[in-house]
Amino acid sequence: DGGITQSPKYLFRKEGQNVTLSCEQNLNHDAMYWYRQDPGQGLRLIYYSQIVNDFQKGDIAEGYSVSREKKESFPLTVTSAQKNPTAFYLCASSSSTSGVQETQYFGPGTRLLVL
Amino acid sequence: AQSVTQPDIHITVSEGASLELRCNYSYGATPYLFWYVQSPGQGLQLLLKYFSGDTLVQGIKGFEAEFKRSQSSFNLRKPSVHWSDAAEYFCGLKAAGNKLTFGGGTRVLVKP
Repeated sequence: DGGITQSPKYLFRKEGQNVTLSCEQNLNHDAMYWYRQDPGQGLRLIYYSQIVNDFQKGDIAEGYSVSREKKESFPLTVTSAQKNPTAFYLCASSSSTSGVQETQYFGPGTRLLVL
Repeated sequence: AQSVTQPDIHITVSEGASLELRCNYSYGATPYLFWYVQSPGQGLQLLLKYFSGDTLVQGIKGFEAEFKRSQSSFNLRKPSVHWSDAAEYFCGLKAAGNKLTFGGGTRVLVKP
């Protein structure tokens, strides 16, 4: 089955620790995205990538980093600089970002909690 | 800059009753509009999308939405709600530059 997988489902972070969230897709999509979801605030874009080895900051990139070494993978690192990391993180992909009509498809999410 | 507003944070509806979720947008050009549904602890599933053409769009699970340019709205409707429709619903707008902007979401509770 084609789709987007995110792991782990739950992740716990200690103070001062960096953690990495995994996102993998087998849809052969060029573009991938990371969103943060907080209650009552909808989804906010953290980073996105249109092609391998290229990515751009979204609205709330501070305290996060990404890489795009492979087309199917777009891991997100939550660094110790992110002071309020507790949230639900969603990864998405679309076949490209070149057309506004491209639909984004979402993974199941990772919930990050701070100990 | 574009924005999306979902005025209702929570809606409670009885099973079998009709449902309408409001979505208003602000954007200076032709909007591309989406509705997604999210079950608790899950990702988002696409219900329907509007790009052009017929302003009444049919989606999955018996949902439909109507685009009204004069009112800057894209309201989601379902004639008869099932208990499984209890979830959070997000309206999204995709504009030039391909940024997808979401509203704050509407949580739907279904009473038996």
